[in-house]
Amino acid sequence: EDQVTQSPEALRLQEGESSSLNCSYTVSGLRGLFWYRQDPGKGPEFLFTLYSAGEEKEKERLKATLTKKESFLHITAPKPEDSATYLCAVIVSGNQFYFGTGTSLTVIP
Amino acid sequence: GAGVSQTPSNKVTEKGKYVELRCDPISGHTALYWYRQSLGQGPEFLIYFQGTGAADDSGLPNDRFFAVRPEGSVSTLKIQRTERGDSAMYLCASSPLVSSEQYFGPGTRLTVT
Repeated sequence: EDQVTQSPEALRLQEGESSSLNCSYTVSGLRGLFWYRQDPGKGPEFLFTLYSAGEEKEKERLKATLTKKESFLHITAPKPEDSATYLCAVIVSGNQFYFGTGTSLTVIP
Repeated sequence: GAGVSQTPSNKVTEKGKYVELRCDPISGHTALYWYRQSLGQGPEFLIYFQGTGAADDSGLPNDRFFAVRPEGSVSTLKIQRTERGDSAMYLCASSPLVSSEQYFGPGTRLTVT
């Protein structure tokens, strides 16, 4: 069964304290992996797409990486405005998207 | 440019009633997805359209749920005989290609009393 698991479920960081979020997946026919940010009561906002192992993407304080079994979202020197839930999703050969349950990030000033 | 819009933003209905949720995708996007999200969970796939036809409706939980996209743009998710368990945030997303990144609307919060 296709599965996406995110860890940790929740993470509290001091402002400026770098860390990483993990997304591991067991799927057949992976076509791509996506990271989204979701603020409370809003729809997810697209961050990155990764298609092949070894690929990396960066945007401001965020950097996403992909291996054959997992992806990491690295957050460097986070700010309070980075507080949100970060969702990982994979698209498989049938064009379905499977989302993880997310990591709730809180950055304390 | 205009993003994905969904109406209504909130819908409260009584158990057993019929509801329609509307999604206006980004102009030119051929793929449109519907998801359901419960509190503390990730979005759960319901159905996706490529153009006018439902390419995959395997995520619809039962035959009370139905969705259409008659002209390949606006889509409507229809729920008959609503149950309290249908209460959730319903999200719509569109993408320029089926396998590319999705752009989400703000969602419709459905509450069945």
